[in-house]
Amino acid sequence: NAGVMQNPRHLVRRRGQEARLRCSPMKGHSHVYWYRQLPEEGLKFMVYLQKENIIDESGMPKERFSAEFPKEGPSILRIQQVVRGDSAAYFCASSLNRQDAGYTFGSGTRLTVV
Amino acid sequence: GQNIDQPTEMTATEGAIVQINCTYQTSGFNGLFWYQQHAGEAPTFLSYNVLDGLEEKGRFSSFLSRSKGYSYLLLKELQMKDSASYLCAVIYNQGGKLIFGQGTELSVKP
Repeated sequence: NAGVMQNPRHLVRRRGQEARLRCSPMKGHSHVYWYRQLPEEGLKFMVYLQKENIIDESGMPKERFSAEFPKEGPSILRIQQVVRGDSAAYFCASSLNRQDAGYTFGSGTRLTVV
Repeated sequence: GQNIDQPTEMTATEGAIVQINCTYQTSGFNGLFWYQQHAGEAPTFLSYNVLDGLEEKGRFSSFLSRSKGYSYLLLKELQMKDSASYLCAVIYNQGGKLIFGQGTELSVKP
């Protein structure tokens, strides 16, 4: 019973390139959440998606960041024209529904922008 | 805002008991989580409280007072492997996203 799968685990990008982070939720979970953790800081909510819908994107930077969760396939967090300040750990979590206490995190993608 | 406050760091001795406090804004409260996070790893679930009182699970217990906007995580018989960051997180209103505190870095000394 696989948990939340994220890939890649580590991603290095040069400034100006695009970063694509993938998240496959736990089997049966249709709610996906993306969080960012900067060095020495807590997790910050970015976006909440349900299949084919963005439910809450109040934590997403206004530019360069986008997320999707298509009907088939993983959820994708896309960062265009990356800058050094985008270097962080990006965690994905999934749940059965909005009120589910079984909120499970993936192992994260560590993005380094050089 | 929906500030979640917890101490930045704590130190305790192996075998001892430590209590990590968390305060939050009560308006719209819908549940509170505690997670453990070792450096470079994902947060792992420790506890979930939605009603007042104490929830005990082995060496770890979590307490909630909804009227006071207060929770604590109690760790007993501390072990060196308990050195980690402990994250308090709250779900508000209709659920979905978790609002996290900045985490409490616990160091367990021999």
